[in-house]
Amino acid sequence: QQQVKQSPQSLIVQKGGISIINCAYENTAFDYFPWYQQFPGKGPALLIAIRPDVSEKKEGRFTISFNKSAKQFSLHIMDSQPGDSATYFCAARMWDTGNQFYFGTGTSLTVIP
Amino acid sequence: DAGITQSPRHKVTETGTPVTLRCHQTENHRYMYWYRQDPGHGLRLIHYSYGVKDTDKGEVSDGYSVSRSKTEDFLLTLESATSSQTSVYFCATKPGQGASNQPQHFGDGTRLSIL
Repeated sequence: QQQVKQSPQSLIVQKGGISIINCAYENTAFDYFPWYQQFPGKGPALLIAIRPDVSEKKEGRFTISFNKSAKQFSLHIMDSQPGDSATYFCAARMWDTGNQFYFGTGTSLTVIP
Repeated sequence: DAGITQSPRHKVTETGTPVTLRCHQTENHRYMYWYRQDPGHGLRLIHYSYGVKDTDKGEVSDGYSVSRSKTEDFLLTLESATSSQTSVYFCATKPGQGASNQPQHFGDGTRLSIL
C-alpha cells in the first residue's frame, strides 16, 4: 500500500513553462514533507521541504504548496529549464516511528529546449 | 554532500550467494537507512538504524538483514540472494532528534544484479 501517492508518472514541459507535480497522503501522523531531485546515476538530493503548519514555501524557482485539509501537496517549478530534467520524489516523514520516510513513486520530468 | 560512501557501486552475483553492501558516513549522523529503488515503486525502506546496534525493519525487510556496530557504518546483507532482489540500493543518513526537521542525505547507490 502506497502511503504517498504521486502524479504524474512523467511530465514533458517546454523551456520557460511551469512544471507541476502532485502528491497526496492519508496518514495524519506525517509531519514533514521534503521533495527530492534525482539525476541518473546519483542519489536523491533534497530540493525543498515544508511542514504542515505552512501553506506555501518558495525557494528560487521552486515552490511547495501544501493543503493540510485535503492532505495534498505539490511542487511547482517556475521557468522550467532543460537542467531541471530529472526524476522528482515527494516524501513524508512519520514522527512517531523513528523518523521513517515514505516516498512517492517518482515523476520523470523532461524540459524541452 | 553529507559524506556518504556506498560500496561496491556495482555488483553482479548469482542466485543463492550471500551479498553484503556497505554504507560509510563521515557526518556522525544518528540515523541510517537502507532503501531499494525499483521502477514504478520509488524508494522503499528496507531497514533503518537509530543508533549503534539499534535497528528496525522497514516495509520490505524480508530476505535482508542489517548491522551497525559503529556510528559510521551500516551494513546490508542478503543472506541468499534471489533475482527479485536485483535493484539499486541507496543508503541515507539523518541527524538525530535535535535536528528533527533535517532531511535525509543519500549516497549514490549500489546497482546489484542477481543472475
